[in-house]
Amino acid sequence: DQQVKQNSPSLSVQEGRISILNCDYTNSMFDYFLWYKKYPAEGPTFLISISSIKDKNEDGRFTVFLNKSAKHLSLHIVPSQPGDSAVYFCAASARGSGGSNYKLTFGKGTLLTVNP
Amino acid sequence: DAGITQSPRHKVTETGTPVTLRCHQTENHRYMYWYRQDPGHGLRLIHYSYGVKDTDKGEVSDGYSVSRSKTEDFLLTLESATSSQTSVYFCAIRSPGSSYEQYFGPGTRLTVT
Repeated sequence: DQQVKQNSPSLSVQEGRISILNCDYTNSMFDYFLWYKKYPAEGPTFLISISSIKDKNEDGRFTVFLNKSAKHLSLHIVPSQPGDSAVYFCAASARGSGGSNYKLTFGKGTLLTVNP
Repeated sequence: DAGITQSPRHKVTETGTPVTLRCHQTENHRYMYWYRQDPGHGLRLIHYSYGVKDTDKGEVSDGYSVSRSKTEDFLLTLESATSSQTSVYFCAIRSPGSSYEQYFGPGTRLTVT
């Protein structure tokens, strides 16, 4: 079963507009969430994260929102730029006793295309 | 730049042959991970290590083994490669002092014919 779901395989937006990428999770033990960006032929790069004690985290043009009751998070990119065109992965982890060894569970990714 | 290199970057091999992929880090980090990326599947954890000689399985470990004899090197071995193991393989390290962020290497594209 898929614990982290990105239901939109792709998203296309115009330059300057807002991009909203969505992610849902099913495991109620997840309490830390991350977004990664991946360009072709490169490794994923860390973008932004949020702990479950927060509902929003902002870093420049990137903001992540967390709705724990809905088990949903979203990444907002404002304004979108052509260089933002990439695959975006949502990831989640569970802390807690017994140790998770900091493992991450990833979604399948969403391909964002920002058109000039 | 997280100081992670992977070798080889590209490899083509035949079904049934053994293959070893290497991940090398210069950061002296304790935690290292191997993932594979496939279309429609995202990134899936194969194996991970939490110290020298300390390793454990991830969600897709069948057909793979790992070894970590030094902090800086984490090896992924396909004992007898199959076509289903054609994939892009990424190594990652967890940066201490951060929360759960992992930093990835550039990847190895493996094709099993």
